[in-house]
Amino acid sequence: GENVEQHPSTLSVQEGDSAVIKCTYSDSASNYFPWYKQELGKGPQLIIDIRSNVGEKKDQRIAVTLNKTAKHFSLHITETQPEDSAVYFCAAVSEGGNNRLAFGKGNQVVVIP
Amino acid sequence: EAQVTQNPRYLITVTGKKLTVTCSQNMNHEYMSWYRQDPGLGLRQIYYSMNVEVTDKGDVPEGYKVSRKEKRNFPLILESPSPNQTSLYFCASRLTSGSNQPQHFGDGTRLSIL
Repeated sequence: GENVEQHPSTLSVQEGDSAVIKCTYSDSASNYFPWYKQELGKGPQLIIDIRSNVGEKKDQRIAVTLNKTAKHFSLHITETQPEDSAVYFCAAVSEGGNNRLAFGKGNQVVVIP
Repeated sequence: EAQVTQNPRYLITVTGKKLTVTCSQNMNHEYMSWYRQDPGLGLRQIYYSMNVEVTDKGDVPEGYKVSRKEKRNFPLILESPSPNQTSLYFCASRLTSGSNQPQHFGDGTRLSIL
């Protein structure tokens, strides 16, 4: 099955700087790659996603890039703010089977004011 | 408001005492699933359901049961809870079982089994 690795496990950035989280996946048939943000006491919330027919997608300060050849995708957060502090999860889905989301283990992002 | 609702949010109980965690979604979603979240292990799928009366095992189904009698509800049942089931549980739903559908999560249920 799909295996998703996420790096680094913890990331500290100064407010206003950019943060980048990278994930790799194993199944070349994966075709959907969502990113989730989890704040303390809350469930994961979808913040952006990308499909395999697209190389990059932006939504305000957040962007995701996908490199299918290298089988990795990255989350970019620009102009970080304290409210960006959270745990971020990447995931990948392959066609077939139960189309289950395979999650990475999560990154703790800390934005230092 | 579109949402996935879990109850209870917190529960402390003892080994062997049957418990049920309810999950309900108001988005008419076909696909629902349960995850557990443990430190260092991320989110692991317990069970999923592609539609009413259709359920199947995920990655870590041992010790759990589910049912899907109605489209909106997907309860998680622990017949005889044990301490290793102490965890944070999330219910999730998406429109269909299609691979590129956004998935929505509830706010979680923290279970402590003593």
